[in-house]
Amino acid sequence: DQQVKQNSPSLSVQEGRISILNCDYTNSMFDYFLWYKKYPAEGPTFLISISSIKDKNEDGRFTVFLNKSAKHLSLHIVPSQPGDSAVYFCAASVIPSNTGKLIFGQGTTLQVKP
Amino acid sequence: DAGVTQSPTHLIKTRGQQVTLRCSPKSGHDTVSWYQQALGQGPQFIFQYYEEEERQRGNFPDRFSGHQFPNYSSELNVNALLLGDSALYLCASSFRGIGEQFFGPGTRLTVL
Repeated sequence: DQQVKQNSPSLSVQEGRISILNCDYTNSMFDYFLWYKKYPAEGPTFLISISSIKDKNEDGRFTVFLNKSAKHLSLHIVPSQPGDSAVYFCAASVIPSNTGKLIFGQGTTLQVKP
Repeated sequence: DAGVTQSPTHLIKTRGQQVTLRCSPKSGHDTVSWYQQALGQGPQFIFQYYEEEERQRGNFPDRFSGHQFPNYSSELNVNALLLGDSALYLCASSFRGIGEQFFGPGTRLTVL
């Protein structure tokens, strides 16, 4: 039962262009969403989050969009840099439970070409 | 300010053996969650410890158990190891389980 899905295993973009990573979820109880970045031999690093009361959140080059009716979120990276090349995971949780259990997608490998 | 630390980095065991993995949370954090990441997959939630008790558990068998100490550090124990237990085991810490979780570098477990 894959409640959080990242249907694109990989994405390749040119340096300076926009990277768009997508994530779909099935559980309507999810109300807090996060994006993590992971380099080889390191643990996931938190990037940006959004709660269900918002539809957009920005932090520098990173913007996350949430479409609750479509149960879809996306991460935009503008402009993309070679150092952004990594595996990106979206994750979801239910805030009221206050347990912080995160449900992760399978990940998308982003390659930014110089 | 030390982040989340895990030990050991790598571990090789044989089927049927038992293993203990360790985690120290980020300073100021009191909640520790454990995740298993199989190759090519996203991390899967094993369980979470808060106030030295298991607060929530994912879909993992009883062979997986844990402990949290008064200093908030935690251990993950796996008994009767199977080949399928080979994975990267990640520890994440947070304050009361709320908000973003900070992950350690993980322990790579290989079961032969």
